[in-house]
Amino acid sequence: EVLLQQSGAELVRPGSSVKISCKASGYTFTDYYMHWVKQRPEQGLVWIGRINPANGNTVYAEKFKSKATLTADKSSNTAYMQLSSLTSEDTATYFCTIMVIIWGQGVMVTVSS
Amino acid sequence: DIQMTQSPSSMSASLGDRVTITCQASQDIGNNLIWFQQKPGKSPRPMIYYATNLANGVPSRFSGSRSGSDYSLTISSLESEDMADYHCLQYKQYPYTFGAGTKLELK
Repeated sequence: EVLLQQSGAELVRPGSSVKISCKASGYTFTDYYMHWVKQRPEQGLVWIGRINPANGNTVYAEKFKSKATLTADKSSNTAYMQLSSLTSEDTATYFCTIMVIIWGQGVMVTVSS
Repeated sequence: DIQMTQSPSSMSASLGDRVTITCQASQDIGNNLIWFQQKPGKSPRPMIYYATNLANGVPSRFSGSRSGSDYSLTISSLESEDMADYHCLQYKQYPYTFGAGTKLELK
């Protein structure tokens, strides 16, 4: 069974950074791009970007180029997203997904002092 | 970027009703469109892929269609379990873009 297991909820201070993870199992990690999606409370879905775990190549939506950094560790089959210079606008649930078909359970990131 | 204009933003319907939700693409996306269902606190669930193909395990009352740049998700006979948010996504080109979503509620 293909599974994407994401890390736990985060409460972080404004101006700080956070790194969330997405551990893949049940398939060959390097075979599929890992995408990341943002959903603010009671709002729609926004595509952040994707990484090719085979070579680390990334593509970002323009508005996330300075906000998100995507990485992948082939040795542990885990993808990561670091969010920097956090503000209240970054309070959201973040999903990882392969092929936008298989989704992780989401990570709630709350930015609050 | 490709804009996906989804309508309506919300709707209420009765059990047994036929319901249609539409996304209009600002550029050609071919059939590179997915419809998702999302319930509170859950991840999006793919319902229709490549515009018209039913995903595994999805009831046959759901269907997808295309007319030019307009893509539609239809529920032929609404059931209580269908109350959810619905989103379209184009994956023709980066950045992938979602519609704004439709909240489907029971009348």
